[in-house]
Amino acid sequence: AQSVTQLGSHVSVSEGALVLLRCNYSSSVPPYLFWYVQYPNQGLQLLLKYTSAATLVKGINGFEAEFKKSETSFHLTKPSAHMSDAAEYFCAVRNYGGATNKLIFGTGTLLAVQP
Amino acid sequence: NAGVTQTPKFRVLKTGQSMTLLCAQDMNHEYMYWYRQDPGMGLRLIHYSVGEGTTAKGEVPDGYNVSRLKKQNFLLGLESAAPSQTSVYFCASSYSISGAPTDTQYFGPGTRLTVL
Repeated sequence: AQSVTQLGSHVSVSEGALVLLRCNYSSSVPPYLFWYVQYPNQGLQLLLKYTSAATLVKGINGFEAEFKKSETSFHLTKPSAHMSDAAEYFCAVRNYGGATNKLIFGTGTLLAVQP
Repeated sequence: NAGVTQTPKFRVLKTGQSMTLLCAQDMNHEYMYWYRQDPGMGLRLIHYSVGEGTTAKGEVPDGYNVSRLKKQNFLLGLESAAPSQTSVYFCASSYSISGAPTDTQYFGPGTRLTVL
């Protein structure tokens, strides 16, 4: 069975600082991994996804994530935080089996950006 | 395109009452999903549908029923609401290529439900 673990339910950074949100996965098969962002009072929006192509994946709004099989990690980074990045971020893995691409979500990391 | 819309945005129920949440998508997507979001637990799949007229159970289906009578609509019903069903409910959809689901899911804005 697939699962993801997000380390740190709350992360606070200063504007302009590096953003690092951690996600580790567990999967018995090569995983498809995703990062979604949820802005306040909105639905989730796809940031980026890894589907076994390049290990460094670039997404929207300057975010990127690197798939590291040896560390079973898929951490999300952004070189310089902006106030508008304040949101909740969810890591997810595609659940294999059955007729649909069900996603298994992590518990989320709330990112606060301080001025 | 409106994308994925959900009705209503907010609702307060008393224990034992029933209600239906409506999800509509105008992207002609085959696959639709209902999730609930609870603090510290992320999103959990309630039910999903792989096409018009089909539904299947997800991770936490108890206490919920669904219907997909039209391709663009996916209804989530609570027959007898309980306080444990207080949550934020999200609908999502995804399209298919050659019958297989694609990986990206498109989410609605959510319905905040409180059961007293």
